[in-house]
Amino acid sequence: GAVVSQHPSRVICKSGTSVKIECRSLDFQATTMFWYRQFPKKSLMLMATSNEGSKATYEQGVEKDKFLINHASLTLSTLTVTSAHPEDSSFYICSAIDRDPYEQYFGPGTRLTVT
Amino acid sequence: SQQGEEDPQALSIQEGENATMNCSYKTSINNLQWYRQNSGRGLVHLILIRSNEREKHSGRLRVTLDTSKKSSSLLITASRAADTASYFCATPRGGSNYKLTFGKGTLLTVNP
Repeated sequence: GAVVSQHPSRVICKSGTSVKIECRSLDFQATTMFWYRQFPKKSLMLMATSNEGSKATYEQGVEKDKFLINHASLTLSTLTVTSAHPEDSSFYICSAIDRDPYEQYFGPGTRLTVT
Repeated sequence: SQQGEEDPQALSIQEGENATMNCSYKTSINNLQWYRQNSGRGLVHLILIRSNEREKHSGRLRVTLDTSKKSSSLLITASRAADTASYFCATPRGGSNYKLTFGKGTLLTVNP
């Protein structure tokens, strides 16, 4: 099956700094990728849809200036958490669509801890 | 109201037993998907069932869909310790085929 990777898997940063998370489709081209956020023992919340070559579409309540998304190529999308605060600590997961729009391939997730 | 709510929230069984998880949703859908998530990991797609299907099988998994009751169930037969994970149902949202709304999940623990 299709493989999606994320880097880093874990990151600890200080308040006020910015953190970049990468999402890569390893063996397929993904015109559309998604970014989710998951709190402990909770469900996934869709943050934004990342489209190659165009601006990301953010879900209601998600600050686009806080969570910068760049989909520079068909295999890479990045999420930058700017001026991170402890409440941004969470598990961030990306997913990508290959040919079948109904099936998403998820990355392993990135655990962000802001101290 | 939240789309895709699973019950029970947690389920603990012995190896070899069957595990049944249920999912309810609110709006009309054209498909429903089940995903599995091991602790601290990403999600793995298990099975998709379309609105014109009532039942679907994949190995030890059996999924049913009742569109009149807006509910689905996931049955795992002959469970194994390795089946221990959280299971989520997901439904398309807002007219999109690929934007998904996930339920809260069922944490399944299979005891050896």
